[in-house]
Amino acid sequence: EDQVTQSPEALRLQEGESSSLNCSYTVSGLRGLFWYRQDPGKGPEFLFTLYSAGEEKEKERLKATLTKKESFLHITAPKPEDSATYLCAVQASSTGTYKYIFGTGTRLKVLA
Amino acid sequence: DVKVTQSSRYLVKRTGEKVFLECVQDMDHENMFWYRQDPGLGLRLIYFSYDVKMKEKGDIPEGYSVSREKKERFSLILESASTNQTSMYLCASSSLLGYTFGSGTRLTVV
Repeated sequence: EDQVTQSPEALRLQEGESSSLNCSYTVSGLRGLFWYRQDPGKGPEFLFTLYSAGEEKEKERLKATLTKKESFLHITAPKPEDSATYLCAVQASSTGTYKYIFGTGTRLKVLA
Repeated sequence: DVKVTQSSRYLVKRTGEKVFLECVQDMDHENMFWYRQDPGLGLRLIYFSYDVKMKEKGDIPEGYSVSREKKERFSLILESASTNQTSMYLCASSSLLGYTFGSGTRLTVV
């Protein structure tokens, strides 16, 4: 069965304390892996798309990487404004062209 | 900026009411989606549409229906609202580059 699992469920960091969020997946025929940021009471905002193992994308303090089994979202020297829920989603040949499988997210809290 | 607009941020409805959630996108996307989001369960797909007047059931369609009369508009209908439909509802449209989400509608059924 296709599955996407995110860990940890919640993470508290001090400002400047770097860490990584994990998204592991088991799907048939990965087409793309997507990272979103979601602030409380709002819809998810797109961060990155990764298509193949070894690919990396960066944006400000965030860096996403992809292997054949998992993706990491690395947060370097986080600031309080990075506090949000980070969602991972996978598109696979088993899900069709546009449907995604979402993980349940990691709630990140960065303390000043 | 491309946008997906959901008509209401917050709604409170009574059990048994018929509820309409509206979503409009300005990106000329063919594909649109309705998800609900609940703590611990993540995003679950209710319905999606890949063309005008075309629709497909997602993972949890029971108690819901949809309407896509125009390309830019995708409506979610709760035929007879129940308390277990209290949730955050998210609309999205997509291209090959990924999804764009609306800001969500927090629906409370009392």
